[in-house]
Order: sequence, then structure tokens, then C-alpha cells
Amino acid sequence: DVKVTQSSRYLVKRTGEKVFLECVQDMDHENMFWYRQDPGLGLRLIYFSYDVKMKEKGDIPEGYSVSREKKERFSLILESASTNQTSMYLCASSLGTLSSYGYTFGSGTRLTVV
Amino acid sequence: QQQVKQSPQSLIVQKGGISIINCAYENTAFDYFPWYQQFPGKGPALLIAIRPDVSEKKEGRFTISFNKSAKQFSLHIMDSQPGDSATYFCAARITGTASKLTFGTGTRLQVTL
Repeated sequence: DVKVTQSSRYLVKRTGEKVFLECVQDMDHENMFWYRQDPGLGLRLIYFSYDVKMKEKGDIPEGYSVSREKKERFSLILESASTNQTSMYLCASSLGTLSSYGYTFGSGTRLTVV
Repeated sequence: QQQVKQSPQSLIVQKGGISIINCAYENTAFDYFPWYQQFPGKGPALLIAIRPDVSEKKEGRFTISFNKSAKQFSLHIMDSQPGDSATYFCAARITGTASKLTFGTGTRLQVTL
């Protein structure tokens, strides 16, 4: 089974801090994604990457950046954390453009910004 | 804008009943429609998926019905069980770079005894 591992299950950070969320997948997937999940809003795409060093903005990229230096690792960076970034963050990976296997998600990181 | 609209937001069904969750979409370029199931403390997991050239797909107790002309699709859970209690997300994909998914807002299903 493909495994997507998010480095932290829970994080508490202070307003203004720079925050790094790490995600690693172990099945050589080309695509990786960062979503945030909020009640009543579902999953919203922040950024995605379809290859090493390649990234594209999703629907809500403001206040975030990403890094993909290696195929297996995709990092989400909150440049200056704010309270409205308190959320559940989900990383996912998928196998190429036409795959019917869908996404494999990590278990999520619940970030609280105080 | 919400490209995939999902309803209801929450649903309570008795054990043995049928659970029905509906989704509607606007973009006719969507070409793949998966459903994801999420248990508390876990990430969503792919449950079942359909392509628009098929009107129905069944896997065990789970069925997707797809109406291309109405731009609607729905998940039916037959003989619902307490273990089905979870949050369900519909999604839609446009084939292209990374083929990213657009998700609905989710339905929290509770199956009671």
C-alpha cells in the first residue's frame, strides 16, 4: 500500500511564526497535493506539484508556499502564521495524469495558530 | 466558487436503511468522479469512482449513479451499517496537469442502531 506520512499530527504555533509542514510518500508518485480541511468548506487545494521542483497554485495559495526538492517529499510553508490558518492540513499523492487510482491521503496535521 | 455542490451536510440513517448523498457540478470538462470516505482522525480514502460514460457503478453495498445531462451524481449506501458512519466527500477531476481534484463540502453520515 502507498503510504503518505505527515510529520506531525498536532502543531501549535504562535502568530507570525514560520511554519513547515512535511509530507513524504513512499510509492514514487509524480503528483503531490496540499489541502486544508475546514468544517462546512470541505477540502480546498492550496498547492500541488506534478514533478520535482514544479509547483502550481491551487484555489487558496495566499499566505502559503511549497517546496519539492525530492520526488518523495512535499513541504508546505506558512510564511507568517495567522490565526485564520488554524485548520486541518492534508497531504495527498497520486500516480500520474490519467490514473484511476485516485489520491492517497496522509492522516493530516491539525495546526492551531495562537 | 463552489464547483462541486454536495448535499446534505449531515445525514442520520437507521441501520439497514439506504443512505443517499448527492452532488452537482458545473464544469462539463470534469471527466472522473470519485467518492472519498473519511473516518475521524484519518485522511480521506478512495471509496468508489465513476467516469461520465457510465450511468451506474456498483461495488458491494456502494453504488454511484451518474446523470450526465443533469450534471449530477450520487452515492447510495445500501443496508447502511454503524461502521459506515463517516464523512463522505464527492469530487471531480479534469484530466490535465496533475489532474487535481475539486471536492464537495462533505456529508457527515451517522448510522444508528
